[in-house]
Amino acid sequence: DAGVIQSPRHEVTEMGQEVTLRCKPISGHDYLFWYRQTMMRGLELLIYFNNNVPIDDSGMPEDRFSAKMPNASFSTLKIQPSEPRDSAVYFCASSLRRGGAGTQYFGPGTRLTVL
Amino acid sequence: GESVGLHLPTLSVQEGDNSIINCAYSNSASDYFIWYKQESGKGPQFIIDIRSNMDKRQGQRVTVLLNKTVKHLSLQIAATQPGDSAVYFCAENPPSYNTDKLIFGTGTRLQVFP
Repeated sequence: DAGVIQSPRHEVTEMGQEVTLRCKPISGHDYLFWYRQTMMRGLELLIYFNNNVPIDDSGMPEDRFSAKMPNASFSTLKIQPSEPRDSAVYFCASSLRRGGAGTQYFGPGTRLTVL
Repeated sequence: GESVGLHLPTLSVQEGDNSIINCAYSNSASDYFIWYKQESGKGPQFIIDIRSNMDKRQGQRVTVLLNKTVKHLSLQIAATQPGDSAVYFCAENPPSYNTDKLIFGTGTRLQVFP
């Protein structure tokens, strides 16, 4: 299995631009999670999906952030407009729940820099 | 004022020694715990997990101990190797029948020197 796939691996953009991060979960996993990692705040859960449906988006910072999962093999995290404080590493993770919280497997991350 | 980042506790061990990384979790009713390893430039990687009905679980060179009385989790690495150098995170699953969130700790940096 290829594991969780994220693209791009690095993104540099200017303030005000739209940014779209992409994720392909492990085949057969029915949970997908988006995290943000910074030195200031550590690893934060932004949103997670179950069977393509958003379950908890309480970690999404503000309306500039949105996430979609149009099908079981693809999800996007969009920031519009981007701001310098959005600079971070964004991780996608997926899991297969078995009678409780399942082990989450992380992708390699997208390092976002907003100038 | 100047912003400061998270201060990661650091554990320095000599190659070949055993390492013990500790974690205090927040919710006494959490029922599932995981240890992750994160190497520089990579995503967190699953190491080992344990459910609350167990006190100890062993893997290859790693052992996780759970003390529910004091809400404490530890990761023991036997015969630590240079490749073990990384940041280690514990994570807990808050008790709920309708959430699959994991709450991550701030992490501990393990440095292995020859």
